[in-house]
Amino acid sequence: GEDVEQSLFLSVREGDSSVINCTYTDSSSTYLYWYKQEPGAGLQLLTYIFSNMDMKQDQRLTVLLNKKDKHLSLRIADTQTGDSAIYFCAEEADSWGKLQFGAGTQVVVTP
Amino acid sequence: GAVVSQHPSRVICKSGTSVKIECRSLDFQATTMFWYRQFPKQSLMLMATSNEGSKATYEQGVEKDKFLINHASLTLSTLTVTSAHPEDSSFYICSAIGVLGPHNEQFFGPGTRLTVL
Repeated sequence: GEDVEQSLFLSVREGDSSVINCTYTDSSSTYLYWYKQEPGAGLQLLTYIFSNMDMKQDQRLTVLLNKKDKHLSLRIADTQTGDSAIYFCAEEADSWGKLQFGAGTQVVVTP
Repeated sequence: GAVVSQHPSRVICKSGTSVKIECRSLDFQATTMFWYRQFPKQSLMLMATSNEGSKATYEQGVEKDKFLINHASLTLSTLTVTSAHPEDSSFYICSAIGVLGPHNEQFFGPGTRLTVL
């Protein structure tokens, strides 16, 4: 199986909070990332967290990292229709910048 | 800043022909670029790591003679799919590493949709 695992689908109402979860396996990863992919487009870096941090907040985005459980989450506050996309978490696979991606979570925001 | 472009954005070719995809870092120099392919509703699969001035490093299972990668300058890497077949149809995405923040960030191109008939 994949080293990075995510749930595949999340449906959320506009205005509610979304929480996307991810588990990873490489405890030596220095950075962990969240990317957003809209249909037919490349990946957009949303945020990242350094492995010695527990939490990082950036406007509507909050990243929580539990190193003990190797669990990473992304919370999107006040979810908007423009947040509908696929969200990938990724861990650094080596010191040269290679990333290991999860399968992606499709987030659908309903009015 | 930190823009990565790909050209073409989509290409349709006949089986047996070769297709070249360009990946450019527009406003920064990238010593390392990555090439991924993505099947519908699936994650990105790393194909190879491309370092400027040296041979690319291919991931296990990726045929280096079929997917030729050239990284001739600090702003350009190319992927050539040789003798393309319908099973090569996919979304190809490149990324480039730039030192623009507290650490090396990976910036992604918009992708190239390849359809082989």
